[in-house]
Amino acid sequence: GAVVSQHPSRVICKSGTSVKIECRSLDFQATTMFWYRQFPKKSLMLMATSNEGSKATYEQGVEKDKFLINHASLTLSTLTVTSAHPEDSSFYICSAPWGAGGTGELFFGEGSRLTVL
Amino acid sequence: QQPVQSPQAVILREGEDAVINCSSSKALYSVHWYRQKHGEAPVFLMILLKGGEQKGHEKISASFNEKKQQSSLYLTASQLSYSGTYFCGTDRDNTGKLIFGQGTTLQVKP
Repeated sequence: GAVVSQHPSRVICKSGTSVKIECRSLDFQATTMFWYRQFPKKSLMLMATSNEGSKATYEQGVEKDKFLINHASLTLSTLTVTSAHPEDSSFYICSAPWGAGGTGELFFGEGSRLTVL
Repeated sequence: QQPVQSPQAVILREGEDAVINCSSSKALYSVHWYRQKHGEAPVFLMILLKGGEQKGHEKISASFNEKKQQSSLYLTASQLSYSGTYFCGTDRDNTGKLIFGQGTTLQVKP
């Protein structure tokens, strides 16, 4: 079945550094991918929609310059957390819809746990 | 706008039934249900499209009342493996962009 792969699964970095997280759709093309953020025991909060060939669409309250999203190809989207600070520590998870529109399953990556020291 | 799930938490004994509700203040194109275990990615359970669908998957089924903008997930004869946090995700514009409810934590005890 369709799979979405996310890397790295865990990353620890120092405050002020940037971290890149990759999200790949392994056996299907995804013109759209979604990035979520999840705090412990909380819901998945949509951060942005990654669009292949165009700019990402950010949700209200999400800093575009802090969370850079690039959809380089039909199978790869990247999220870069720039100048990370401890408050950016979280579980980041990407997803890609199977098929056109919203009638298909939304496949999630394994998630990336970011810890900023 | 985030859909509202109820209850927030449920504790069951093996074999008991549970219902989890998801309510939206906006019209929906579809409702998706996921289960997440601690530290893992959400796992897809089912999608319900507008039109008043009802679906079943073994002992887990769901309904979607488009007019009321509500969906319910039914867990019958619960098993230990059903434990986890259940999320409903709502799609308002048929793009696959899901807004998730706050989650319902289900604990099944032996």
